[in-house]
This record gives sequence, structure tokens and C-alpha cells, in this order.
Amino acid sequence: QVKLLQSGAAVVKPGASVKMSCKASGYTFTDYWVSWVMQSHGKSLEWIGEIYPDGGATNFNEKFKGKATMTVDKSTSTAYMEFSRMTSEDSAIYYCARRGYYPGFAYWGQGTLVTVSS
Amino acid sequence: DTVLTQSPVLAVSPGERVSISCRASEGVSSYLHWYQQKPRQQPKLLIYEASNLAAGVPARFSGSGSGTDFTLTIDPVEADDTATYFCQQSWNEPRTFGSGTKLEIK
Repeated sequence: QVKLLQSGAAVVKPGASVKMSCKASGYTFTDYWVSWVMQSHGKSLEWIGEIYPDGGATNFNEKFKGKATMTVDKSTSTAYMEFSRMTSEDSAIYYCARRGYYPGFAYWGQGTLVTVSS
Repeated sequence: DTVLTQSPVLAVSPGERVSISCRASEGVSSYLHWYQQKPRQQPKLLIYEASNLAAGVPARFSGSGSGTDFTLTIDPVEADDTATYFCQQSWNEPRTFGSGTKLEIK
């Protein structure tokens, strides 16, 4: 079955960067776009962007261009997202997600909690 | 960006029917999806493309609408349906989510 396993919680200082991972299993990693979604505490969800593992093409929400960097390692079926110049507003749960055979995110990772604190 | 507007809170009793609305600031065709999120869990896809039930989702859940006005209906509501429900569009870039409707069971 499809699984997306994300890296553990992180605490980062203001101005620093954080890199999180999303390890896929149960399907051919290179066949599907992997998206990243942010959920600030008690708030809604924001789509950050997506990456296609076969070739590395990316699409970004303009809001996060220059802030987020998405990469993949096909050898380990793992997607990565690095968030730079962290501020308190970036404290959130970050999810990786994938569509199913139809539109909509049918598969989600368990989320990575990132706290920005000095 | 396409703004999706949802009512913040709804309260219903078990066994009742509830309709949760989502209004888009511009047309999204039928590319509107619904998710259920329980506390400390990741979102779960319920409905895709406005009216199609995702795999494993009970038939108590249904969706309707197109263009700018959409509805998620739960009939009958069960106590376990306590959650926040989000709509999301994938017609316009960037993809956007609604602010969520918190469903409280009386």
C-alpha cells in the first residue's frame, strides 16, 4: 500500500533553514508528483508546491518561490523540502502528499512539525 | 489566488443531515475536493471532483456542485464525524484550500 513517511519534528532558530524528508513506498516513485502542504497552528492548509521525481520538474505557489526548495533522491524514493530564512510565521506542520488515480490528495504523510524558536 | 469560503462552525445532532458549503471566488469547474481532518491527524480525502466518493469512504458522504458553489453532505451524521472539513480546488494555480468548517456533534 502507498505510504509516505516523513522525518521527525524539528526546532530551528529564526533565520536558519530546515530540511525535511518524505520517503515513499508502495508505488513507483517516479510516476507521481509529490506536493508539499503547510498547516500553521489552528489554521488552514496552504499548498507550497510540487515536484515530479522523474526529471525534477517543479511547480511553486508564487508565495513560496525563493523560500522553499524541493528535491528528490530517486535511489531512496525520498522527496525533500528545504525551507529557508525561517521566521515564527513558518512554525507549522508540513505535509507531503500525492494524488491517487484521480485528482485530490489521496495520500498524505503523517506531517513534520517545525517550530521556530530562539 | 482563488479564495474558497467556508462557514467556520456547524453543530448537529447524530442522525441528522448536514450540508457544508464551499464558495469559490472564481470558477473551478468540477475540480473541487473535500477532506476530513481530525485532531492530530493528516487530512483524509473524502470527495474528489465535486461529487465522486474516494475509496473506502462511507456512502453517508456525498458532494455536489460545479463552478463556484459546492456542498458536502453527510447523511446521517455520526458522532465519529466530529472533525474539520476542508475544500480544495485544483483548477486554478496555485491550488488553494478553504479555511475549514469545524463540525461539532451535539
